[in-house]
Amino acid sequence: GESVGLHLPTLSVQEGDNSIINCAYSNSASDYFIWYKQESGKGPQFIIDIRSNMDKRQGQRVTVLLNKTVKHLSLQIAATQPGDSAVYFCAENPRRGNKLTFGGGTRVLVKP
Amino acid sequence: DAGVIQSPRHEVTEMGQEVTLRCKPISGHDYLFWYRQTMMRGLELLIYFNNNVPIDDSGMPEDRFSAKMPNASFSTLKIQPSEPRDSAVYFCASRLGGANYGYTFGSGTRLTVV
Repeated sequence: GESVGLHLPTLSVQEGDNSIINCAYSNSASDYFIWYKQESGKGPQFIIDIRSNMDKRQGQRVTVLLNKTVKHLSLQIAATQPGDSAVYFCAENPRRGNKLTFGGGTRVLVKP
Repeated sequence: DAGVIQSPRHEVTEMGQEVTLRCKPISGHDYLFWYRQTMMRGLELLIYFNNNVPIDDSGMPEDRFSAKMPNASFSTLKIQPSEPRDSAVYFCASRLGGANYGYTFGSGTRLTVV
């Protein structure tokens, strides 16, 4: 079946540096993407979303970039803080559908 | 807004026993989803409801799994009989229909079957 970024790499980042988390998706029918943050013992927490008619969206300290040509999604976190340590998931939703599919996640470790 | 509420937070049961997980979605949300998270398979969609009606249960692993939504504020996921391979964290999520609003997840139920 189609999948979204089935890996769990670890990204170690120095506090204060910027983080970039990448995600590949394979379903060209997806038109809505979400980044989630999951801390230990908690459920996934919505960070930011983007529709396929956009290529960039910014939030507070976070930016999501979407490249539909190569089916790539990234999350940029500015000035990474210790509280940003978590597992980050990208998720895709198909056009006119409700089956949100998650990637395998990336663990971010922030070093003081 | 209390968010999506799941109970229990932790459940330990013996193989063969029946397990019932509960979820209260956010008031007004008309979609409810059940996900399972394991290290091997990540987050998998099991089933989702729209206006209390099951729409897609293709992710339910076996007949041992069943889910109900008797009303807009309550859903259950039942496993009978439970097996050790069912050990996982089970999440419930809800969202508003229409535009692609972000799904809101509960804190999950960690199930251990021994």
